[in-house]
Amino acid sequence: AQSVTQLDSQVPVFEEAPVELRCNYSSSVSVYLFWYVQYPNQGLQLLLKYLSGSTLVKGINGFEAEFNKSQTSFHLRKPSVHISDTAEYFCAVSEFQAGTALIFGKGTTLSVSS
Amino acid sequence: DAGVIQSPRHEVTEMGQEVTLRCKPISGHDYLFWYRQTMMRGLELLIYFNNNVPIDDSGMPEDRFSAKMPNASFSTLKIQPSEPRDSAVYFCASSLSRLAGANVLTFGAGSRLTVL
Repeated sequence: AQSVTQLDSQVPVFEEAPVELRCNYSSSVSVYLFWYVQYPNQGLQLLLKYLSGSTLVKGINGFEAEFNKSQTSFHLRKPSVHISDTAEYFCAVSEFQAGTALIFGKGTTLSVSS
Repeated sequence: DAGVIQSPRHEVTEMGQEVTLRCKPISGHDYLFWYRQTMMRGLELLIYFNNNVPIDDSGMPEDRFSAKMPNASFSTLKIQPSEPRDSAVYFCASSLSRLAGANVLTFGAGSRLTVL
C-alpha cells in the first residue's frame, strides 16, 4: 500500500520569499502524484499533478513540483510567495491505474506574513 | 458545471442521533469518494464507489457508518448513532476515470459535523 509523508506540518515565511514544501511517498508500484491546496473553510483544489513525462510539473498560481523517483519525493516550490498563498497544502499519491483512490499526507500549513 | 455539491454545510447534533450527509457528484463522473478530515488524523479515505458500486470501504471506521449511492447523481453517508469522536469535516469528491487514466479528484466544500 502506498503512503505519503509531509515532512513539515507548518512553514512560516515572509512575503516574496521562496518556499519549498516537502513530500515523500512510499509505494511498491508506479504512482501518480498530486498537490492540492485548501483555503480556510473550503474544499481542496488541485494545484498540480504528475502523471508521466517531464519530472518538473507546473501548476496554478506559480507553483511547481519536481518528481524525483530515486528519492521518492515530490516537493512543491514557489520562487516568491504572496499573502494569498496562506493555506494548507496536501500531497497525495495514487497507484498507476485508473480508479484507485488518492492517499493524502497530513498537510502542511503555509503561513505567509508581510 | 456546479461542481460537487454537499449538504448540509454544517450540522450540529447530539450524541446518539442519526446523521445523514449528502453528495451530488459532477455529472458524468464515474467515481465518488468520501473522505473525513480531522486535526489528528488528517484526510482519511472512508469509502469510494465506481459506477454506483462500492469498491473499497475498508476506511469506514465501524458499523455505525454506512454509505450508499443509489444512482449516479447522489450519495449519502450515514452515521447512526453518532458520537462526539465523529466530529470532523466530511468531504465528497468525484472523478472521471478516463481523464488520463488517473483520478483527478474534484472536491465539494465539505460538511462540518459537530456531535455534542
